[in-house]
Amino acid sequence: GENVEQHPSTLSVQEGDSAVIKCTYSDSASNYFPWYKQELGKRPQLIIDIRSNVGEKKDQRIAVTLNKTAKHFSLHITETQPEDSAVYFCAASYGGSQGNLIFGKGTKLSVKP
Amino acid sequence: NAGVTQTPKFRVLKTGQSMTLLCAQDMNHEYMYWYRQDPGMGLRLIHYSVGEGTTAKGEVPDGYNVSRLKKQNFLLGLESAAPSQTSVYFCASSYSPGDREKLFFGSGTQLSVL
Repeated sequence: GENVEQHPSTLSVQEGDSAVIKCTYSDSASNYFPWYKQELGKRPQLIIDIRSNVGEKKDQRIAVTLNKTAKHFSLHITETQPEDSAVYFCAASYGGSQGNLIFGKGTKLSVKP
Repeated sequence: NAGVTQTPKFRVLKTGQSMTLLCAQDMNHEYMYWYRQDPGMGLRLIHYSVGEGTTAKGEVPDGYNVSRLKKQNFLLGLESAAPSQTSVYFCASSYSPGDREKLFFGSGTQLSVL
């Protein structure tokens, strides 16, 4: 069945360093790839997304890249800050344009001051 | 706008008891979803609805039922709770069409089944 693999499961960086989280997906029909941030005890919130007709998208310090051939996409956070500490989830749509999302298992990012 | 509101926020059940979780959204969204979140497992879709009066199964539907009698409300029911259903439950909704996939989540319900 459809699957999204996310790595690493935990990531610790120093403030100011960059962080990269990678995901691979199995459904070649997937066309939408969002990233959600969940702070401790809070709800997941969308931080950035990308559609399959775009290779890269940036929003200030965060960016997402997509390689459809290899079926993987990545989240890049530059100049990390302590408030970036959270669990990050990637997701991929399945079942075509009307499909739902399948989520990765999450990456716990810790940014040390 | 309150967005997506879930009630209750916490609940403790004994094995075999039943309960209903309520999700309400005031954004006029067509699509609504129930997810469960377990440590190390990410978010898994239980059931979803593409409009008033419709429901469909997600990845992990067993042991749950849902109803969408009104567009703004999506109810999740546990008829006979089991310890394996101890989890954090999130409701979500999304626009239609085009932005269907952008999910807006509620604040979650922590459920413990003893």
